[in-house]
Amino acid sequence: DAGVIQSPRHEVTEMGQEVTLRCKPISGHDYLFWYRQTMMRGLELLIYFNNNVPIDDSGMPEDRFSAKMPNASFSTLKIQPSEPRDSAVYFCATSLLPSSGNTIYFGEGSWLTVV
Amino acid sequence: GDSVTQMEGPVTLSEEAFLTINCTYTATGYPSLFWYVQYPGEGLQLLLKATKADDKGSNKGFEATYRKETTSFHLEKGSVQVSDSAVYFCALSSRGGSQGNLIFGKGTKLSVKP
Repeated sequence: DAGVIQSPRHEVTEMGQEVTLRCKPISGHDYLFWYRQTMMRGLELLIYFNNNVPIDDSGMPEDRFSAKMPNASFSTLKIQPSEPRDSAVYFCATSLLPSSGNTIYFGEGSWLTVV
Repeated sequence: GDSVTQMEGPVTLSEEAFLTINCTYTATGYPSLFWYVQYPGEGLQLLLKATKADDKGSNKGFEATYRKETTSFHLEKGSVQVSDSAVYFCALSSRGGSQGNLIFGKGTKLSVKP
């Protein structure tokens, strides 16, 4: 399996622009997570889906952030409008039911810089 | 709520030194426990895991034992290498509450000098 695939790997954008990050999960995994990593706050869970349905979005920082999972093989995280404080690495991760001890597999991350 | 506390870094060791990174947890019930590693510029990778009390997870010379009595899952390696330089995250997956999530510690950065 190719693993969790994220795109773009790197993005530099200007403040105010819309940013869309994409994720293709491992086939058969019914849980999908979006995390954000910064030096100041470490690794934060933004939102997760089970069977394409958002289960917990309490980590989404504000209305500028939105996430969708239109089908089992694709998810997006959108920031509109972007701000410099959104600069971070955004990870997508997928798994089978984690509480059963299943491993969560991470993508290589999307490195976002907002200038 | 459930939480993970791991020792603050950074940790700097010489090659072949013994490594311990402490991790303790608070959880309802009996969680699964994980150590993830993040090499520079990469995503997190599972290093090892344990799903029940007294289980020992091991991989690449690293070990951690699930200790229910002390609610701990300390990571150890007998002889570190320069290639072990990375950030290490302890995590738990709760069987109660939000069953679809991993709760991570803040990470411990390890630097190994030749």
